[in-house]
Amino acid sequence: DGGITQSPKYLFRKEGQNVTLSCEQNLNHDAMYWYRQDPGQGLRLIYYSQIVNDFQKGDIAEGYSVSREKKESFPLTVTSAQKNPTAFYLCASSIKGRGANVLTFGAGSRLTVL
Amino acid sequence: AQSVTQLDSQVPVFEEAPVELRCNYSSSVSVYLFWYVQYPNQGLQLLLKYLSGSTLVKGINGFEAEFNKSQTSFHLRKPSVHISDTAEYFCATMNSGYSTLTFGKGTMLLVSP
Repeated sequence: DGGITQSPKYLFRKEGQNVTLSCEQNLNHDAMYWYRQDPGQGLRLIYYSQIVNDFQKGDIAEGYSVSREKKESFPLTVTSAQKNPTAFYLCASSIKGRGANVLTFGAGSRLTVL
Repeated sequence: AQSVTQLDSQVPVFEEAPVELRCNYSSSVSVYLFWYVQYPNQGLQLLLKYLSGSTLVKGINGFEAEFNKSQTSFHLRKPSVHISDTAEYFCATMNSGYSTLTFGKGTMLLVSP
């Protein structure tokens, strides 16, 4: 079955450490996205990519980095510069252009900073 | 920039009662509107979408929404809810470049017996 796989599902990190969240899709979608979800704040866009080797900052990109070396993969690194990284992170994908309104989401990764 | 406002953070309702989850949008250009649902500790899935045409949009699981241009609203309704409808519901709009979605803060629907 086609879908999006996020790993790990749960992750604990000490302050000052970088951590990378994995996102892989087998839907042959061109566009991929990372959202951060906090209670009562909805989803906020971190980064998105519409084509391999290209990505754009979203609304809250500071303290995060991404890469898009393969169409299927869009890993997110939460760096030590992110002041409040504890959150639920959601990866999504879609076709490009106006079809980008239909996002397919992964099951999410919950990051806790100790 | 387009944005959506969900007026209620939480809506409690009894099983088999009707429910309406409110969403207002802000946009000066063509409006694309969506409702997504998130069950606990899962990703989101699309309930329904309005792109153009009929203002009454039907989605999965018996939900429907009505696009109202004069009131800039896109409220989600279900005539009779079930316990399994307990979830968080997000209204969203597409940006003018047709590349990303902007989500509201979500409404938690709590259905009790």
